[in-house]
Amino acid sequence: AAGVIQSPRHLIKEKRETATLKCYPIPRHDTVYWYQQGPGQDPQFLISFYEKMQSDKGSIPDRFSAQQFSDYHSELNMSSLELGDSALYFCASSIGLAGYEQYFGPGTRLTVT
Amino acid sequence: KQEVTQIPAALSVPEGENLVLNCSFTDSAIYNLQWFRQDPGKGLTSLLLIQSSQREQTSGRLNASLDKSSGRSTLYIAASQPGDSATYLCAVRIQGAQKLVFGQGTRLTINP
Repeated sequence: AAGVIQSPRHLIKEKRETATLKCYPIPRHDTVYWYQQGPGQDPQFLISFYEKMQSDKGSIPDRFSAQQFSDYHSELNMSSLELGDSALYFCASSIGLAGYEQYFGPGTRLTVT
Repeated sequence: KQEVTQIPAALSVPEGENLVLNCSFTDSAIYNLQWFRQDPGKGLTSLLLIQSSQREQTSGRLNASLDKSSGRSTLYIAASQPGDSATYLCAVRIQGAQKLVFGQGTRLTINP
């Protein structure tokens, strides 16, 4: 069965650079979610989109922005990167806004040096 | 604010034992609860989803229960195997929101 695809899987950036993470949801899933998991931490919700509109927002820094495109893929843009942004970034997808299961991608490991 | 707590933080048991992992949450207004497995440095694999109207779900050797009124869930693993070694996270989806709120996880080690 098709899963959530994230690219790149690994990314190394320097402080103050920008990064773009991409997420391709499971076919026919119209909702995507972004989570950040720091070292030894539990995943923290950043933002979600349903039908290309922001549906919920968590602790996402102002330096980060995200959007969902017409083909339902999503991109997380991160600017002015800081050392503390080093983390595993997960994308998840689901069907609709109801209480359906969220399926997670393999994550993008971002290292800021 | 919803808070999710998992006890114990770490657990080590010999192969073959049955075990229970605990998850508690502070706000009973939830849509559902999911249990995940995470191997070191890897992604999250969904194990079981329990809707707020359900009491339990089963998949193979796994059984998850939900007592929404008391804010508790348990994950029962039968006949544990070394391959079950991983971190297990529970997460609740709160009503009126899209996000999952995660616990800190239980790091499980099954010794051969």
